[in-house]
Amino acid sequence: SQKIEQNSEALNIQEGKTATLTCNYTNYSPAYLQWYRQDPGRGPVFLLLIRENEKEKRKERLKVTFDTTLKQSLFHITASQPADSATYLCALDFRTYGGSQGNLIFGKGTKLSVKP
Amino acid sequence: DSGVTQTPKHLITATGQRVTLRCSPRSGDLSVYWYQQSLDQGLQFLIQYYNGEERAKGNILERFSAQQFPDLHSELNLSSLELGDSALYFCASSVGVGTTDTQYFGPGTRLTVL
Repeated sequence: SQKIEQNSEALNIQEGKTATLTCNYTNYSPAYLQWYRQDPGRGPVFLLLIRENEKEKRKERLKVTFDTTLKQSLFHITASQPADSATYLCALDFRTYGGSQGNLIFGKGTKLSVKP
Repeated sequence: DSGVTQTPKHLITATGQRVTLRCSPRSGDLSVYWYQQSLDQGLQFLIQYYNGEERAKGNILERFSAQQFPDLHSELNLSSLELGDSALYFCASSVGVGTTDTQYFGPGTRLTVL
C-alpha cells in the first residue's frame, strides 16, 4: 500500500534560520509532488509542485527538491520568519492503477514553529 | 480567500443521524474534491467530481455519498453517523481533472458527532 512519511510531527527553529522538512514515500512512483501550507482551522494552500524529471524548484524563499531514487522530497524555507509557522503537507499523485489516476495522497504534515 | 465556499462552518449532531455538507467551487472551476481530515488519519481524499460526473473515488465509506449539480456546486451526504466520523471536511476545486491543476481548498466544515 502507498505510504508517505513526513520526517517529524513538529520542527522548532529560530527566526532567520533555514527550515528543512522531509517527505519520504514508498511503494509507488509519483509523477510529481506538491507542498501545501495549512494554518490551524483553515484549508491547505498550495505552495509548489515539482515533477519527477525536475530536481529542484524555487519560489521566493522556498525551495523543493525531488529525488526519485531516494524516494524523498526536501522542502526548505530560507530566512524563516514567525509568519512561516504553520503545518506543511506534502502530497503525491499516484499513477493509474485501474482508473484511480489523479488522486492526491497527503502526508500527515510537519508543524513548523519559528521563534523570534 | 481561496474563492471556495463551504457551509456550514460547524455542525454538531448525534450518532445515527444524516447531514449534508455543501460546497461552491471557484468561478470557472469544473472539478470538485472532497477530503476528510482527522487527527489520526490526516487529510484523506474521498471523492472527485468533474462537470457533474464522478471522476475518482478514494477512501469514501458506503454511508457517504456526494453529487455535483448543474451549477457545479457539490454536496457531501453523510448518513448513519458514527463518533469516528467527527472530523474536518474540506472541499477543493480546480479548473480541470489533472492533478497538476492547482487545488484550491475551502475553509472546511467541522463535524462533531456526539
